[in-house]
Amino acid sequence: EFVLTQSPGTLSLSPGDRATLSCRASQSLTSGDNLAWFQQRPGQAPRLLIYAASSRPTGIPDRFIGRGSGTDFTLTISRLEPEDFVVYYCHRYGRSVGTFGQGTKVEMK
Amino acid sequence: QVTLKESGPALVKPRQTLTLTCTFSGFSFNSSGMRVTWIRQPPGKALEWLARIDWDDEKMYSTSLQARLTVSKDTSNNQVVLTMTNMDPVDTATYYCARTDLSTVSPFDHWGQGTLVTVSS
Repeated sequence: EFVLTQSPGTLSLSPGDRATLSCRASQSLTSGDNLAWFQQRPGQAPRLLIYAASSRPTGIPDRFIGRGSGTDFTLTISRLEPEDFVVYYCHRYGRSVGTFGQGTKVEMK
Repeated sequence: QVTLKESGPALVKPRQTLTLTCTFSGFSFNSSGMRVTWIRQPPGKALEWLARIDWDDEKMYSTSLQARLTVSKDTSNNQVVLTMTNMDPVDTATYYCARTDLSTVSPFDHWGQGTLVTVSS
């Protein structure tokens, strides 16, 4: 069974800090599959932040940086803004059955 | 402008069948590359991928839930329907539908607002 494991579960930081979120796949992503990151604010639907591991949709600030390949992926928020203290999910998509990680909550210290 | 909206019962009893409808606008299944996916989220928990259907009627289901799920589309009315049988209290969740345009390589660029379904007797 394919699993995405996100770490840490909770990240306690201050505005202006750098945040590094990890997403590890139980097996390497096959061709035809890719990795995305979503941000979810309370009471709202998730919002796409990163697709194809490192691409940003139009309108997403450049402080959100995605990297990685194979089994190891990271989302870096270069300087945290107050509105960034919410929950983030990684997601495998493409030809295979979709899978989400369990989420990382970024909270204000 | 792409919009999606989920509709269905807010409350179902255990062992009943849930039927949810995703009604969308701004795109059509007459266009190749369109995909609608169902995702759910129990209160306070993580997102869970459920099922998807493509413009060409190709379907895919969650491995763990496939025996209980059916997804279909009504192209003329711009709707996707999800049915889930044998509902249980653990199926209490907000259910979302989301659009993917396969020509852009980015998933879930538009989401519905979600609909909360509670399973209780």
